[in-house]
Amino acid sequence: LAKTTQPISMDSYEGQEVNITCSHNNIATNDYITWYQQFPSQGPRFIIQGYKTKVTNEVASLFIPADRKSSTLSLPRVSLSDTAVYYCLVGDKPGGGADGLTFGKGTHLIIQP
Amino acid sequence: DTAVSQTPKYLVTQMGNDKSIKCEQNLGHDTMYWYKQDSKKFLKIMFSYNNKELIINETVPNRFSPKSPDKAHLNLHINSLELGDSAVYFCASSPRGAPYEQYFGPGTRLTVT
Repeated sequence: LAKTTQPISMDSYEGQEVNITCSHNNIATNDYITWYQQFPSQGPRFIIQGYKTKVTNEVASLFIPADRKSSTLSLPRVSLSDTAVYYCLVGDKPGGGADGLTFGKGTHLIIQP
Repeated sequence: DTAVSQTPKYLVTQMGNDKSIKCEQNLGHDTMYWYKQDSKKFLKIMFSYNNKELIINETVPNRFSPKSPDKAHLNLHINSLELGDSAVYFCASSPRGAPYEQYFGPGTRLTVT
């Protein structure tokens, strides 16, 4: 079973708020929720991490409901440069296995003018 | 000041050859990783080192051998290269106690002909 499920692709327009939801029904008590961004021909970039409720930084917000079975990455007022693949990861340690941080297929976000 | 650097950026070689990819991080992190991203863009962890000690070794052929001369370096040596080894290899590092906050290098595109 995949640890996380997220849409394969999404489209939006410049200036809009974009919300990408990730499902993680089997999240464990010790697991954190982490989001990465990857541009073509570059390595993934850490965006935000949270455990519960809401986390906000200069790039994005992360909303986590009380049951923690899903999370939503919110990108305010996107621009063309936000076109990238966004990965949702759950885990508390690197690597594979039941509790390891594993990159899935990600969500390919395309921002149009 | 590049945080995580890799050399070379591109590597083209023939089947059967032996090659190395070097990685250095100047972030003072304790843990370093090697990932492989295949043509389908699936990012999979290969190895993880913590303070020069191997802590993760996923199902990777023995032809792949990581070497960590010190905490800031994690090199990847590949023997008897095969066509299926063609991929982008990413090095990453993370601070102590935060394995979910990984900083990736720019990647090395390996092409085996």
